[in-house]
Amino acid sequence: DARVTQTPRHKVTEMGQEVTMRCQPILGHNTVFWYRQTMMQGLELLAYFRNRAPLDDSGMPKDRFSAEMPDATLATLKIQPSEPRDSAVYFCASGYWDGPYEQYFGPGTRLTVT
Amino acid sequence: GESVGLHLPTLSVQEGDNSIINCAYSNSASDYFIWYKQESGKGPQFIIDIRSNMDKRQGQRVTVLLNKTVKHLSLQIAATQPGDSAVYFCAEGMNYGGSQGNLIFGKGTKLSVKP
Repeated sequence: DARVTQTPRHKVTEMGQEVTMRCQPILGHNTVFWYRQTMMQGLELLAYFRNRAPLDDSGMPKDRFSAEMPDATLATLKIQPSEPRDSAVYFCASGYWDGPYEQYFGPGTRLTVT
Repeated sequence: GESVGLHLPTLSVQEGDNSIINCAYSNSASDYFIWYKQESGKGPQFIIDIRSNMDKRQGQRVTVLLNKTVKHLSLQIAATQPGDSAVYFCAEGMNYGGSQGNLIFGKGTKLSVKP
């Protein structure tokens, strides 16, 4: 049963610290998405990749957030420095660029910045 | 000050009844629509999709209806069970152009099933 995996599942850190979240997409999927979910804003798209190339990161605060895909089996989302307003659940999802278009979500990383 | 969270529409139904969850989508050019279910503490889970050239699609206990005239999508759940309690999201997307493969998610509806 292929699944998207994310680590860590929970992260508590102090303001100003660097946070790195990792995602392993489903093998064979060629698009990877990063979302953030909060009570205030709901589900927001931060960035997405096609064949490891970044396509759109307009939803991401550029000064502190960065997203990369070092290889086809790993996507990372980094926050440096972290702020309390970054506290949220971060989801990774993967899918196919050319359809079918459903995205498969990981279990999320719950980030708390104090 | 007091924080205000996202106000989710809530649907409360009795176990065994049918549920209808509605969604208004934004882009008349969207090619496909997807319903997701998100249980507490988990990521959204795919339920069913429908292409824009269809007006109805059925799955196991679920039916999605699409009305392009009024840009409305609905998810019907037959014989609702306690395990159906979750937040349900509709999402829309396009299969061409710069947004190909991307999904725009709605705000969600919370379904509560009373035993």
